[in-house]
Amino acid sequence: DQQVKQNSPSLSVQEGRISILNCDYTNSMFDYFLWYKKYPAEGPTFLISISSIKDKNEDGRFTVFLNKSAKHLSLHIVPSQPGDSAVYFCAASLPYGQNFVFGPGTRLSVLP
Amino acid sequence: EPEVTQTPSHQVTQMGQEVILRCVPISNHLYFYWYRQILGQKVEFLVSFYNNEISEKSEIFDDQFSVERPDGSNFTLKIRSTKLEDSAMYFCASSELGQGWDTEAFFGQGTRLTVV
Repeated sequence: DQQVKQNSPSLSVQEGRISILNCDYTNSMFDYFLWYKKYPAEGPTFLISISSIKDKNEDGRFTVFLNKSAKHLSLHIVPSQPGDSAVYFCAASLPYGQNFVFGPGTRLSVLP
Repeated sequence: EPEVTQTPSHQVTQMGQEVILRCVPISNHLYFYWYRQILGQKVEFLVSFYNNEISEKSEIFDDQFSVERPDGSNFTLKIRSTKLEDSAMYFCASSELGQGWDTEAFFGQGTRLTVV
């Protein structure tokens, strides 16, 4: 039961360009979405989040867009840097839920 | 910067043995979680803990698993009789508020459990 999907297992982007990571979800009751970044041998690190009452949230180089009707969110990284190379997980939670549901992750490689 | 710390970083155990994974959540956080990631698979929720009791658990979290907050700082995950399929990275996380309040969780660096 894949409630949170990240259909691209990997993505390669040139340094300085935009990285766009996509995430789709099936449960329309999810109301809070997060992106985590994970380096090898480390735990997931929180990156940015968005509540379902918004359609965009921006933090420096990172912007998350939410399209509720399409049940789709995306993470934009501009400009991409080699240090952004990591696995990016999309996660979602229900109202008053006590856990996150994670997507399978997308491995981003930013090429110098 | 406050962080969630987990020990050990790597634990190797024989099948059928008990293991205890330890975590020190961020000090002012009230909600604690365990997640796991089997190699090559996604991060899966195991259990959440608040006010000294389990608030939610997944179907993975069966009778072989238990959690405890033995003192004011540690949060432990015990697996009573390990199976080969328990081999995974186990992540502890904590948050100031529950997920229903739109707050992020902070993860530890993980404990790699290998059952042989």
